[in-house]
Amino acid sequence: DVKVTQSSRYLVKRTGEKVFLECVQDMDHENMFWYRQDPGLGLRLIYFSYDVKMKEKGDIPEGYSVSREKKERFSLILESASTNQTSMYLCASSPGGQGRNYGYTFGSGTRLTVV
Amino acid sequence: GQQLNQSPQSMFIQEGEDVSMNCTSSSIFNTWLWYKQDPGEGPVLLIALYKAGELTSNGRLTAQFGITRKDSFLNISASIPSDVGIYFCAGPHGATNKLIFGTGTLLAVQP
Repeated sequence: DVKVTQSSRYLVKRTGEKVFLECVQDMDHENMFWYRQDPGLGLRLIYFSYDVKMKEKGDIPEGYSVSREKKERFSLILESASTNQTSMYLCASSPGGQGRNYGYTFGSGTRLTVV
Repeated sequence: GQQLNQSPQSMFIQEGEDVSMNCTSSSIFNTWLWYKQDPGEGPVLLIALYKAGELTSNGRLTAQFGITRKDSFLNISASIPSDVGIYFCAGPHGATNKLIFGTGTLLAVQP
């Protein structure tokens, strides 16, 4: 069964901490994405990557960075967590070199609370 | 940035009822997608639409690509309790064709 695995289902962090959210896919997909989900706002794209060591900003990149050192792993980094980053974070992957396959596979999400 | 607005924001219905929801955009899309998110899980693709006017079914679900290419509709017939979840529309946007998701419609079905 192909999968996108997010390392934590629930996280509680303190304001100002550096936070790492990890995502691993086992489908050999080129494309990987990080979204955050908030009630009434849907899913908003934070960062995405079409290749190893490649990254592009999505619609709401402020306060976040990413790392893709290996094809199967895409990490989201909150450099200094703030309470307005409390949210559900969803990782996704898809095949294809330029994102033209829209069958995204999502992980189960990480619910992050910043206190 | 580009936003997809979904209506209604939430629906509370009785089992067996039919459901209709829609998604609108300020700009034209060439592909419309509908995803469902079960509680505690990530979204899963239900239906993909590629042509204006296209009507596509997946079991009790039927989706339509609006003629103006700025909207799409999803209907669920004879709802059952497992239809509970959040339904998202989505479409590829921009030079890199990354997916933009709608604001979501929360569906609750009472047995």
